[in-house]
Amino acid sequence: EADIYQTPRYLVIGTGKKITLECSQTMGHDKMYWYQQDPGMELHLIHYSYGVNSTEKGDLSSESTVSRIRTEHFPLTLESARPSHTSQYLCASSVSDRGNSPLHFGNGTRLTVT
Amino acid sequence: GENVEQHPSTLSVQEGDSAVIKCTYSDSASNYFPWYKQELGKGPQLIIDIRSNVGEKKDQRIAVTLNKTAKHFSLHITETQPEDSAVYFCAASKPLDSNSGYALNFGKGTSLLVTP
Repeated sequence: EADIYQTPRYLVIGTGKKITLECSQTMGHDKMYWYQQDPGMELHLIHYSYGVNSTEKGDLSSESTVSRIRTEHFPLTLESARPSHTSQYLCASSVSDRGNSPLHFGNGTRLTVT
Repeated sequence: GENVEQHPSTLSVQEGDSAVIKCTYSDSASNYFPWYKQELGKGPQLIIDIRSNVGEKKDQRIAVTLNKTAKHFSLHITETQPEDSAVYFCAASKPLDSNSGYALNFGKGTSLLVTP
């Protein structure tokens, strides 16, 4: 199994709260990603990072923000959660190359905003 | 963005039968095609992948074929077992901006049920 960890596994919070979803990997991978998985199971890229101090937005517009201060850590923050943010959030990482290596996924955080 | 289409969305087979899932992609720059299996409560796990310089790859009961000209690739599972029941995703690599980075575009998933 890949060494990528997400916490918490489940989170239920009220509208307006600030939350941070944690993601850590011990494989030394430079590239990290956040995908949002909707109830229909489709995966959408919302953020990615090439390495320390690199953050980029993905295809799906998201009100969340990310940071990459350390190679192994790629947290995602929602400043003010809303019910529309209810979803599963999956973190992934990969080695740096020209697109021929797999993404390793964590087990996800299932977020419910009431 | 570029799309990956996956069919069928649900598939039910009897134990011991074969299962086939098909995907098409549109980005001609895609050169890496992994398949993931996602079980309930877990993240997607890589089960097999294929690169654009190869037409077919097999790993025990799982095989993948790639037709770059037609831009489609397929997953074949033989001698299915109940533990093969899960959601399967195909994906195609897509370039990200000019930093030589890439991400994966995923299909919408196939829910496979193998009945004893």
